[in-house]
Amino acid sequence: GENVEQHPSTLSVQEGDSAVIKCTYSDSASNYFPWYKQELGKRPQLIIDIRSNVGEKKDQRIAVTLNKTAKHFSLHITETQPEDSAVYFCAALGNTPLVFGKGTRLSVIA
Amino acid sequence: NAGVTQTPKFRILKIGQSMTLQCTQDMNHNYMYWYRQDPGMGLKLIYYSVGAGITDKGEVPNGYNVSRSTTEDFPLRLELAAPSQTSVYFCASSYLKPPGSGANVLTFGAGSRLTVL
Repeated sequence: GENVEQHPSTLSVQEGDSAVIKCTYSDSASNYFPWYKQELGKRPQLIIDIRSNVGEKKDQRIAVTLNKTAKHFSLHITETQPEDSAVYFCAALGNTPLVFGKGTRLSVIA
Repeated sequence: NAGVTQTPKFRILKIGQSMTLQCTQDMNHNYMYWYRQDPGMGLKLIYYSVGAGITDKGEVPNGYNVSRSTTEDFPLRLELAAPSQTSVYFCASSYLKPPGSGANVLTFGAGSRLTVL
């Protein structure tokens, strides 16, 4: 089955700097890669997703890149703000239900 | 549109007790899921359902049971609660088209915090 590895597990950045979170997946049949943000005590919510026929997708300060050959995808957050502090999960969808990475706790220091 | 509604929000159980976590969605989603999230950890899939009458095991099904008698409801049953089942449980739903044809955006419920003492 699918296996998703996510790095780093924790990340601290200064406000205004960029943050990058990386994920790798194992199943070459996976074709959909979402990112979820979970604020403390809240439910996970989708922030951006990418399909396998696209290499990059942007939404304001957030972007996701996908390298199908290497089986890895990344989340990029630019001009980080304190409200970006949260746990971020990547996931991959193939022939099985979404498989999530273990999460990255991002702290943005003002 | 309420989305995904879970009850109860909090529950304390004694070892060996049983309980059912309720989950209902009003978005006519075909897929429903139960995840557990241990403190500081990721989401582990317990069970999922691709439609009424069909359920499948996820990564950590032991100690749990589910049923899907209607499209809307997907209750999770804990039999003989154990301290290892102390966790936050999230129900989620999605509308999944045939494989390879599109996205699978999960809508999560607010979570149920369960403590087993």
